[in-house]
Amino acid sequence: DAGVTQSPTHLIKTRGQQVTLRCSPKSGHDTVSWYQQALGQGPQFIFQYYEEEERQRGNFPDRFSGHQFPNYSSELNVNALLLGDSALYLCASSRWGVNQPQHFGDGTRLSIL
Amino acid sequence: KQEVTQIPAALSVPEGENLVLNCSFTDSAIYNLQWFRQDPGKGLTSLLLIQSSQREQTSGRLNASLDKSSGRSTLYIAASQPGDSATYLCAVRREGRLAFGKGNQVVVIP
Repeated sequence: DAGVTQSPTHLIKTRGQQVTLRCSPKSGHDTVSWYQQALGQGPQFIFQYYEEEERQRGNFPDRFSGHQFPNYSSELNVNALLLGDSALYLCASSRWGVNQPQHFGDGTRLSIL
Repeated sequence: KQEVTQIPAALSVPEGENLVLNCSFTDSAIYNLQWFRQDPGKGLTSLLLIQSSQREQTSGRLNASLDKSSGRSTLYIAASQPGDSATYLCAVRREGRLAFGKGNQVVVIP
């Protein structure tokens, strides 16, 4: 039973570019959340998707956008990259519901030059 | 705004000792609290989830307690092993999002 899978594992971009990160949820899960983890910090919530709609959003600018597909997989898009966007981006999946545990992938390490 | 604090930030213990990791949060209106383990450069592995109505959860050598009214949780790891070396993160659930602490970085010395 495959867990949460994310691609790519590493990515290097330059300032001003755009990036797309991908996430496939664990089998049986229909809800996907994205988090940003800077070095030495805890993950920060970006947004959550369910039924192909953004359900909640954290304190991130509009440069961060997402999408969920009918098969529950999800993309995170970041436009106009800044040096401060360098981080580990984590995807978490769960069944819909506030008491469902979230399961995380290994993340995408994004480096901005 | 929910704030989650983990103390101590880092600790080293000799193999065989029990580990005690603390987590505090400012807003007691949570649905649940989840403890995770993170190895360097890796994602998060869920260890235990405690619902807001529960006082503790146990899994093998791990035991986590929750005192929602005082905004505290403690993770106990019995008889620590070198393989327990990692960063341990606690996260509280409020609606759809998890709010994390910065983690307890643990080194178990053989």
